[in-house]
Amino acid sequence: GAVVSQHPSRVICKSGTSVKIECRSLDFQATTMFWYRQFPKQSLMLMATSNEGSKATYEQGVEKDKFLINHASLTLSTLTVTSAHPEDSSFYICSARTQGGGTGELFFGEGSRLTVL
Amino acid sequence: GEDVEQSLFLSVREGDSSVINCTYTDSSSTYLYWYKQEPGAGLQLLTYIFSNMDMKQDQRLTVLLNKKDKHLSLRIADTQTGDSAIYFCAETPLTGGGNKLTFGTGTQLKVEL
Repeated sequence: GAVVSQHPSRVICKSGTSVKIECRSLDFQATTMFWYRQFPKQSLMLMATSNEGSKATYEQGVEKDKFLINHASLTLSTLTVTSAHPEDSSFYICSARTQGGGTGELFFGEGSRLTVL
Repeated sequence: GEDVEQSLFLSVREGDSSVINCTYTDSSSTYLYWYKQEPGAGLQLLTYIFSNMDMKQDQRLTVLLNKKDKHLSLRIADTQTGDSAIYFCAETPLTGGGNKLTFGTGTQLKVEL
């Protein structure tokens, strides 16, 4: 089946630094990718929809300047957590559909665990 | 907004059947999904059901949907230790083109020998 890969799987950074997480669709093109955040023992919360070649669509309450999303190609979306603080520590998961328009199966990456010291 | 709820924890013995329940509030839900998450990993789609269906069976998995009560369940027959994980139900509303999933709180399934 289709594969979505995230990198890095784990990252530890100091408070105030920025961290970039990559999400790649390995064997299909994804015009739309989705970024989720998961706190320990909680559900996934959609943060934003990443659109290839245009601006991301953020969910209510998600800071655009804090979580920068760039979808530069049909196989890569990046999430940059800027000026990270301990409260940004979380598990970030991306997903992508194999087909556009809301059809096609949704595949999830392995997730990236961010720890901010 | 949409709300999806699940019980937090379920413990079963190996070989027994597991039933994980989910309730949702959005009456316009089109697709309803079950995902499995193993520790430290992403989500794996197990199965899904379209809202005009009552039941779907896929090997050891049986999904039942009661649209009137907005209740979804996942039954795992002959539960194995490898089934231990967190199970999330999710739904997509009619609006949004099916792109936005609302996830439940997740049910941690523990399979004991």
